Amino acid sequence: EVQLVESGGGLVQPGGSLRLSCAASGFTFSSHEMKWVRQAPGKGLEWVSYISGSSSTIYYADSVKGRFTISRDNAKNSLYLQMSSLRVEDTAVYYCARAGSGWDYWGQGTLVTVSS
Amino acid sequence: QTVVTQEPSLTVSPGGTVTLTCASSTGAVTSGYYPNWFQQKPGQAPRTLIYSTSNKHSWTPARFSGSLLGGKAALTLSGVLPEDEAEYYCLLYYGGPWVFGGGTKLTVL
Repeated sequence: EVQLVESGGGLVQPGGSLRLSCAASGFTFSSHEMKWVRQAPGKGLEWVSYISGSSSTIYYADSVKGRFTISRDNAKNSLYLQMSSLRVEDTAVYYCARAGSGWDYWGQGTLVTVSS
Repeated sequence: QTVVTQEPSLTVSPGGTVTLTCASSTGAVTSGYYPNWFQQKPGQAPRTLIYSTSNKHSWTPARFSGSLLGGKAALTLSGVLPEDEAEYYCLLYYGGPWVFGGGTKLTVL
């Protein structure tokens, strides 16, 4: 069974940093592209970042470019999102999602709250 | 700034048929945008229904179908059930960035 479990969310002050993790199981992690998507409270979905299976290709949304870094450790079946210079508008539930046949599986999300 | 536009809200009767659409500010949506459709119910993570325009996952109910219609991506629900009441999002691929539509709130009434 494919499972994606996010962790690392919490309350952080503006300007602070946080590292999100996504633990994957039930499939060959290194063979799949992965993405981060966020959803601000009461708002729609926003694509944040993409990483290929080998980490050779990475993309970021303009809203997070230069502040967020996506990475993965295929030996640990884990995806990461290092977030720095956090802003109030980064407050959201952050989901990791797998690309198999198109987008397929999603995690349950982890809440990041940026507030003083 | 690329914008993907969906109907903000639609209402359908149980057993009826409804079509949700997804338009791109850059022009006609084609298969090269690899449209995906997602369903999200309150308090839940999104669930992927359709990928690459019209392909279904193993968990996608048969009453959901995807297509291209009049320069837009479309999601059609036939024989709507009360449990289909949810927010629906489309997603288009722009060669590196992906852009979600704003979502359609589907009410079954």
